[in-house]
Amino acid sequence: GIQVEQSPPDLILQEGANSTLRCNFSDSVNNLQWFHQNPWGQLINLFYIPSGTKQNGRLSATTVATERYSLLYISSSQTTDSGVYFCAVETASGAGSYQLTFGKGTKLSVIP
Amino acid sequence: SQTIHQWPATLVQPVGSPLSLECTVEGTSNPNLYWYRQAAGRGLQLLFYSVGIGQISSEVPQNLSASRPQDRQFILSSKKLLLSDSGFYLCAWMAEVLGGELFFGEGSRLTVL
Repeated sequence: GIQVEQSPPDLILQEGANSTLRCNFSDSVNNLQWFHQNPWGQLINLFYIPSGTKQNGRLSATTVATERYSLLYISSSQTTDSGVYFCAVETASGAGSYQLTFGKGTKLSVIP
Repeated sequence: SQTIHQWPATLVQPVGSPLSLECTVEGTSNPNLYWYRQAAGRGLQLLFYSVGIGQISSEVPQNLSASRPQDRQFILSSKKLLLSDSGFYLCAWMAEVLGGELFFGEGSRLTVL
């Protein structure tokens, strides 16, 4: 099956700093999402971005499908950004199955 | 708007006891429904998914089972829990007409003692 690798696995930031999280995948995809898991465990949708660039406030994401990676940018980080960020993909070869494969996540800690 | 709820939020069960976790979706019809498990260490593992009433696909052999008795209801069950069943269980839904975006419920934390 498709392999999804996220880096870095852990990241500690000072409040106000910027960061880039990366997601590499091993096959062509037709679905890619970024999620934030807050300290209470809830998974929050950030971006649905199989290709292109999107922005939402301090967060933005870019997926370069031809090169099989996606980036999540966090600017001016806040303590509420802490948690685990997941990338999830569905392979193009599995189109129609609507099953997402998750990476292992990046654990972000923002300190005041 | 669409909402998803699952319960109970927290559960502590002895080894060998049965399990029933329930998930319902409101505001959409014929969603794809999913059960994921997240063990300590962060990764999410797909357990079951369903594309319609009575249609269940299993991704991982285990002592868990799933059922979809109604269009927007998804149930995760076990007849006899094992210690290894402990974890955080997440229900999710996807509407194909919305392009395949996945939405999660609040999660159920299961501890088997």
